[in-house]
Amino acid sequence: QSVLTQPPSASGTPRQRVSISCSGSSSNIGSYNVIWYQQLPGTAPKLLIYGNDKRASGVPDRFSGSKSGTSASLAISGLQSDDEAVYYCASWDDRLNGLVVFGGGTKLTVL
Amino acid sequence: EVQLVQSGAEVKKPGESLKISCMGSGYNFDTYWIAWVRQVPGKGLESVGIIFAGDSDTKYSPSFQGQVTMSVDKSLNSAYLQWRSLKASDTAMYYCARQSSRGFDPWGQGTLVTVSS
Repeated sequence: QSVLTQPPSASGTPRQRVSISCSGSSSNIGSYNVIWYQQLPGTAPKLLIYGNDKRASGVPDRFSGSKSGTSASLAISGLQSDDEAVYYCASWDDRLNGLVVFGGGTKLTVL
Repeated sequence: EVQLVQSGAEVKKPGESLKISCMGSGYNFDTYWIAWVRQVPGKGLESVGIIFAGDSDTKYSPSFQGQVTMSVDKSLNSAYLQWRSLKASDTAMYYCARQSSRGFDPWGQGTLVTVSS
């Protein structure tokens, strides 16, 4: 059972816009920045969004993040086939000795 | 280029010991925390813990406290994760990553640990 809650799956067609939610609590998202990682099949996770809404170097502006209270969201516009991956949200957590906690991951399928 | 390179895949028997490594390059190694993250096949990401490369200060996730040991050798720009007695349930991919206020970036390529009799 992951500390942060994400839907297990999401899908969209090319050029569509999809959104992935991430829900936490006051000890994590409510107190700290949210980070998003993208894990392409068979590869290590890669930093996508940090500081709630800042794109990591090289990340296209089709990807955007937002946070409100104890929830966050990742939006992908102009969906492309190579966006098919698992997306994880993460945040620091006071209840885990200040370590990072993750969501369970959302598998994005491009139909 | 900032990079973390991990040691190769390991196949071990239950009860055996193991130490895997993560070597950093392209940055000032001893001014960052190194995180270890576990990913059981087909499952999500879990924090194992973090170690500060400058002074070896460590923070373990409660689930991993006492089960693994993190260490650093600054002279080799390397961080390590070790087990004294492996169990089948330790079978997983283990990633190291450099931690900053931005999160974990970059990540190593991962070390697959398989524990099977």
